[in-house]
Amino acid sequence: DIVMTQSPLSLPVTLGEPASISCRSSQSLLYSNGHNYVDWYLQKPGQSPQLIIYLASNRASGVPDRFSGSGSGTDFTLKISRVEAEDVGVYYCMQPLETPWTFGQGTKVEIK
Amino acid sequence: QVQLQESGPGLVKPSETLSLTCTVSGGSISGYYWSWIRQSPGKGLEWIGYIYYSGSTNYNPSLASRVSMSVDTSKNQFSLRLSSVTAADTAVYYCTRDRRDGYNYVDYWGQGTLVTVSS
Repeated sequence: DIVMTQSPLSLPVTLGEPASISCRSSQSLLYSNGHNYVDWYLQKPGQSPQLIIYLASNRASGVPDRFSGSGSGTDFTLKISRVEAEDVGVYYCMQPLETPWTFGQGTKVEIK
Repeated sequence: QVQLQESGPGLVKPSETLSLTCTVSGGSISGYYWSWIRQSPGKGLEWIGYIYYSGSTNYNPSLASRVSMSVDTSKNQFSLRLSSVTAADTAVYYCTRDRRDGYNYVDYWGQGTLVTVSS
């Protein structure tokens, strides 16, 4: 199985300040079609996860442009340009390149 | 707007079979892949497997010997059975809709249902 490793696991942030989460995979997620197969999900408190980013850098429908994804191969990053109160929760990276699809451990983002 | 709703017993005894059903509303089950994902404090998010609307399946090898999935297109439902459960199977179980067309992501999640394995 492809192992997804996130850091940090906990991220206290100040409202209006930027935040960054790293995700590393145990093997390359760059496919022959040129796409990197990494998704990012946010699980808000008491809710199911929701898609934020797919194919490493594409925002899902309705996701604010303060969210951005980048990276290639085995190293990926999710950035929030200015954290808002509604952004708190646990962020997960996931690889949908090979079955079984696998998730990172999650990064808990909270307001300082 | 597509909605998914899990249903089934919230308590299952050890060694018995966990059975859950997911009802899809606001859209057809046809043409899509449907998965089960579970979330436990110990193992985080774990993909259990998927079923295509045609009935073809793909299971996580770690669970494949105990898992079966089925689909009922007439009822817009799909189901999960997990046999010989232990306390380690205690988790919130989500049903999901997947895109597996080169974009590959989970676009809809159910609200999740907690299943506890205990005597």
